[in-house]
Amino acid sequence: QKEVEQNSGPLSVPEGAIASLNCTYSDRGSQSFFWYRQYSGKSPELIMFIYSNGDKEDGRFTAQLNKASQYVSLLIRDSQPSDSATYLCAVKAGGYQKVTFGIGTKLQVIP
Amino acid sequence: GAVVSQHPSWVICKSGTSVKIECRSLDFQATTMFWYRQFPKQSLMLMATSNEGSKATYEQGVEKDKFLINHASLTLSTLTVTSAHPEDSSFYICSARAAGGVLSTGANVLTFGAGSRLTVL
Repeated sequence: QKEVEQNSGPLSVPEGAIASLNCTYSDRGSQSFFWYRQYSGKSPELIMFIYSNGDKEDGRFTAQLNKASQYVSLLIRDSQPSDSATYLCAVKAGGYQKVTFGIGTKLQVIP
Repeated sequence: GAVVSQHPSWVICKSGTSVKIECRSLDFQATTMFWYRQFPKQSLMLMATSNEGSKATYEQGVEKDKFLINHASLTLSTLTVTSAHPEDSSFYICSARAAGGVLSTGANVLTFGAGSRLTVL
């Protein structure tokens, strides 16, 4: 079982719609959760991080965490073509320095 | 915000040569830096954790004698790919986390360098 699982996609949504990206993780001791965006040929850039169960909103982005289900998601409202990229879910276990990344979900926003 | 500079951004070398990649934290001190490798259409794979003033910690399957890591200061870590071969061609990305052990907002956030694309002929 992979430590951090994501559907590689591509996930296609029309411009203006809500894109929902999902991620599950295997280590119940995980305490920090991150969403990074990676454009083709570029390095990842942080979108959001979340530590507590529930929702965290930042502009058009909402991260959702459910530790009981070992599930974290990212919602992108009013999707724009510029949001087209690969979204990486990353997880860090408490007390450890290592951050583990999922394979990433490729998002395509269709104009 | 935190900025990590990585150099060179791309390099082409002949098989058998060595290549050094530098990673610098520009506006913060980083006691720990991380080196990742990413092959096309694959996820970031952690190669090693670079600790200032001590030996790096390598992930399983990563040859420490081939991928030499030096973290001589709080702002600089280097990765040297020794005797590079075509299968070492990849996108190498460093990241850093600000020094300090207090868990605060953003304390665990990794900031990535721009990456170095290595092509070994």
